[in-house]
Amino acid sequence: DAGVIQSPRHEVTEMGQEVTLRCKPISGHNSLFWYRQTMMRGLELLIYFNNNVPIDDSGMPEDRFSAKMPNASFSTLKIQPSEPRDSAVYFCATSIDSYYEQYFGPGTRLTVT
Amino acid sequence: SQQGEEDPQALSIQEGENATMNCSYKTSINNLQWYRQNSGRGLVHLILIRSNEREKHSGRLRVTLDTSKKSSSLLITASRAADTASYFCATDARGAQKLVFGQGTRLTINP
Repeated sequence: DAGVIQSPRHEVTEMGQEVTLRCKPISGHNSLFWYRQTMMRGLELLIYFNNNVPIDDSGMPEDRFSAKMPNASFSTLKIQPSEPRDSAVYFCATSIDSYYEQYFGPGTRLTVT
Repeated sequence: SQQGEEDPQALSIQEGENATMNCSYKTSINNLQWYRQNSGRGLVHLILIRSNEREKHSGRLRVTLDTSKKSSSLLITASRAADTASYFCATDARGAQKLVFGQGTRLTINP
């Protein structure tokens, strides 16, 4: 298995632009998590899905952030409009179920100028 | 606030020495997990210990769990330069279907 696949690996964009991050989970994993990591705030859970259904989005910072999981093979995290404070590394992680060990993707390093 | 908090925040030791990192948490848990993150990479799962277990081993890793003190420790024996990374504990508070990660311990192994 290729593991969790994220794209793009790096994204540089200007403030106000829309950013879409993509994640392909490991086949057979029913839970998918989006995290954001910064030096100041550490690793933060933004949202997670069980069987494609959003369960907890309490970590989503504000309405500019949205996430979807249209099927078991694909999820997106969208920021519109982006701001410099959104600069961070965004990780997607998946697991068989929400209590089990999580497998992380390589992350997307987002820079908003 | 964080469910899990690691201590120390940073640790620097010589190659061959043992490294011990601690994690404290606040609420009852089902299990506690340890992860490693190399610079610029995603987190990698190391070991999971359930609330009814007290100790678990995996290679050079030894994890203990004390539910009465709400704490866990990760011991890496005979450290190697390749062990240089950040180490995170993660807990699943009972009733919450998700993991909460601590801030991590930055471990540096000096050759």
